[in-house]
Amino acid sequence: NAGVTQTPKFRILKIGQSMTLQCAQDMNHNYMYWYRQDPGMGLKLIYYSVGAGITDKGEVPNGYNVSRSTTEDFPLRLELAAPSQTSVYFCASSYEFSAAYEQYFGPGTRLTVT
Amino acid sequence: EDKVVQSPLSLVVHEGDTVTLNCSYEVTNFRSLLWYKQEKKAPTFLFMLTSSGIEKKSGRLSSILDKKELFSILNITATQTGDSAVYLCAVAGTNAGKSTFGDGTTLTVKP
Repeated sequence: NAGVTQTPKFRILKIGQSMTLQCAQDMNHNYMYWYRQDPGMGLKLIYYSVGAGITDKGEVPNGYNVSRSTTEDFPLRLELAAPSQTSVYFCASSYEFSAAYEQYFGPGTRLTVT
Repeated sequence: EDKVVQSPLSLVVHEGDTVTLNCSYEVTNFRSLLWYKQEKKAPTFLFMLTSSGIEKKSGRLSSILDKKELFSILNITATQTGDSAVYLCAVAGTNAGKSTFGDGTTLTVKP
């Protein structure tokens, strides 16, 4: 199993540009998450999904959109990029009925907006 | 709003020392507390705790939860340079498995 994969690994955007961060998992997890991590900080939840077709906002959803058309894929869309969106973005997934809700993380995408 | 506070924010020790990392929390409908280790890349899972007073151990690492006082500690004995990392504490509620993360403790172990 590849686990959770993310593309691209690095990206530089100009202010106002848009892009999609890709995330896929092959563990048949129902739950998927997008986090951002700013330097020296913990993870902030952007959006999450409990299954195909179902998404919901996390702590910091402004400036982002998501979709979940399949169990495997959970892309994150940035519209009109701003310098405040410079961060490392992690995608994660977990089992639906696990009491632990242990999350499996992708390798991250480092995004710089200038 | 759920909240997780970790202390200290950073810690520098020498190999062989024992360290204790702290995590206090406020969460609605507590389900579990999780510890992750992050070494310049994605977090990797260490422990999951759901019951008070039951210690989880893995080698030199151990953790325990106090649900009455709303905190957990992560102990690392006989530290090694490979233990240098950011240690993240997260609390999961029953709402869709969402976790709230603390800002982490940066541990540096010097030879």
